Amino acid sequence: DTGVSQDPRHKITKRGQNVTFRCDPISEHNRLYWYRQTLGQGPEFLTYFQNEAQLEKSRLLSDRFSAERPKGSFSTLEIQRTEQGDSAMYLCASSSGLAGGVEQFFGPGTRLTVL
Amino acid sequence: TQLLEQSPQFLSIQEGENLTVYCNSSSVFSSLQWYRQEPGEGPVLLVTVVTGGEVKKLKRLTFQFGDARKDSSLHITAAQPGDTGLYLCAGVFGGSARQLTFGSGTQLTVLP
Repeated sequence: DTGVSQDPRHKITKRGQNVTFRCDPISEHNRLYWYRQTLGQGPEFLTYFQNEAQLEKSRLLSDRFSAERPKGSFSTLEIQRTEQGDSAMYLCASSSGLAGGVEQFFGPGTRLTVL
Repeated sequence: TQLLEQSPQFLSIQEGENLTVYCNSSSVFSSLQWYRQEPGEGPVLLVTVVTGGEVKKLKRLTFQFGDARKDSSLHITAAQPGDTGLYLCAGVFGGSARQLTFGSGTQLTVLP
């Protein structure tokens, strides 16, 4: 399977704990995105990497959130001191830098539940 | 802040009927994509439109991009239960922006 993969698919944690999610993009894609989706809404942009550089961050990305893409391949999204409002589906997408690279391909998501 | 409005929010129809879903913005898109999402899964890309007035067909699905690139529609002919899902439009608003701005989606249910 050469699509975008995410791990874990589900995470249940208690308020105040830290969690980390991983995303493996399509191998030849140099752009990687994180989105968050709550029930009944479309995904909302969190942050964007081109290779290892984090080029854009949404105001939704509070200082409890940090994302890395150390070698320009996989990425991690960490949430520190989780709150119940962090409960959501966290989606990763990747795109090619070629021909404008407008098409983004999504992974299956990580469903986070904060108790 | 650019916003995308999708309508209707919910749609329940009988198998064999036709339907249209709309996506509108007050801002110009540099490109627009339609996705379909099933419960507990990520969105799956259906089509990308870039040129104003563009029409693309994918089997029973027809996608139109408005001439002014501010709106788009998805028309499904002879809907089937397998078409059931959340349909999302998402636009890139140009400049240096790369992220997608999504509408809130249309939840389609096709009853057998």
